[in-house]
Amino acid sequence: GENVEQHPSTLSVQEGDSAVIKCTYSDSASNYFPWYKQELGKRPQLIIDIRSNVGEKKDQRIAVTLNKTAKHFSLHITETQPEDSAVYFCAASMDQAGTALIFGKGTTLSVSS
Amino acid sequence: DAGITQSPRHKVTETGTPVTLRCHQTENHRYMYWYRQDPGHGLRLIHYSYGVKDTDKGEVSDGYSVSRSKTEDFLLTLESATSSQTSVYFCAISEWGGYNEQFFGPGTRLTVL
Repeated sequence: GENVEQHPSTLSVQEGDSAVIKCTYSDSASNYFPWYKQELGKRPQLIIDIRSNVGEKKDQRIAVTLNKTAKHFSLHITETQPEDSAVYFCAASMDQAGTALIFGKGTTLSVSS
Repeated sequence: DAGITQSPRHKVTETGTPVTLRCHQTENHRYMYWYRQDPGHGLRLIHYSYGVKDTDKGEVSDGYSVSRSKTEDFLLTLESATSSQTSVYFCAISEWGGYNEQFFGPGTRLTVL
């Protein structure tokens, strides 16, 4: 079955720096890769997603890149702010319909001012 | 937040007792999901539903059953609770399933003594 590895588990940056979180997946049939952000005590929320027919997607300070050959995808956050502090989860689809997801174990990002 | 509620929000029970968690949505979304979240494990899919009476297993379905008799309600049952099922349980909904954002409920904290 699908397996998703996420690194690093914790990441500390200074405000204004960039942050990169990386994920690898095992099933080459996976074709949908969302990223969720979970603030302390809150529910997870989608911040960006990408399908396998796209190599990169950007939304303001957030971008995701996908390398299908290497089976890895990454989240890039530029100009980090204290409100970016949260746990970030990557996920990959378990099926070709993109319906069911396997999540990585999460990365705790701390942005200090 | 999307119209998703979970009940109860907190529950303490004893090993061997049955437990039912309820997820209720007012969005008329077709897909509903149950996840568990544990420290160091991220979010793991238990079961999901793609319509009334239509359900499928996720990656950690053993010891859990689900039912969906109405579009708006998705029930998760632990037939005989064990301490390993102590967790935070999140329900999520998605309008069309594949490649669609999943909206999460507020979560239920379950403790099995």
